[in-house]
Amino acid sequence: NAGVTQTPKFQVLKTGQSMTLQCAQDMNHEYMSWYRQDPGMGLRLIHYSVGAGITDQGEVPNGYNVSRSTTEDFPLRLLSAAPSQTSVYFCASSHAGEQYFGPGTRLTVT
Amino acid sequence: KQEVTQIPAALSVPEGENLVLNCSFTDSAIYNLQWFRQDPGKGLTSLLLIQSSQREQTSGRLNASLDKSSGRSTLYIAASQPGDSATYLCAGYNYGQNFVFGPGTRLSVLP
Repeated sequence: NAGVTQTPKFQVLKTGQSMTLQCAQDMNHEYMSWYRQDPGMGLRLIHYSVGAGITDQGEVPNGYNVSRSTTEDFPLRLLSAAPSQTSVYFCASSHAGEQYFGPGTRLTVT
Repeated sequence: KQEVTQIPAALSVPEGENLVLNCSFTDSAIYNLQWFRQDPGKGLTSLLLIQSSQREQTSGRLNASLDKSSGRSTLYIAASQPGDSATYLCAGYNYGQNFVFGPGTRLSVLP
């Protein structure tokens, strides 16, 4: 039981590049979410999903896309990276109001 | 809309002290409250989950309580150790809504 996994752990992008942050969970949780964490800003919700085929926007969705084709996977796409997207990204899944977090992806956009 | 605050923002104590971290929330219809620990540069580790029907949970030297009527949760750490140094976050969950995190309390336990 791996829990919530995220890849890559670190990534450096140039402005304008696109990429996908991967997130997978093996606990059969319906709810999954993406957060970004910035110094002094706490954890902010980007997008979330309540089940396969259902996604919705969180607090800071601009510049990011998500899809949920399976229960297990919830990838986050950066369409055209900007320096303001430099952050640490966490994926989480939850069941019955309890959250489980992945180890995070540290993204730097130059 | 649920809002979560944590006081103090930072705390420094000598080793061996018992301490209390506070978490306040605005909506008493809160379903669960979860406490996390985050070490610098690391992810979030779940410490304790207090479910709707519970008032407290204990794990080792940690005890968390939930008082919905007053909108407060406290995390009690007994006999603090330098290894307890980390940021502690609380997160509230209202049924059918998203989780709301507090800004965290940065704890330093001095040897």
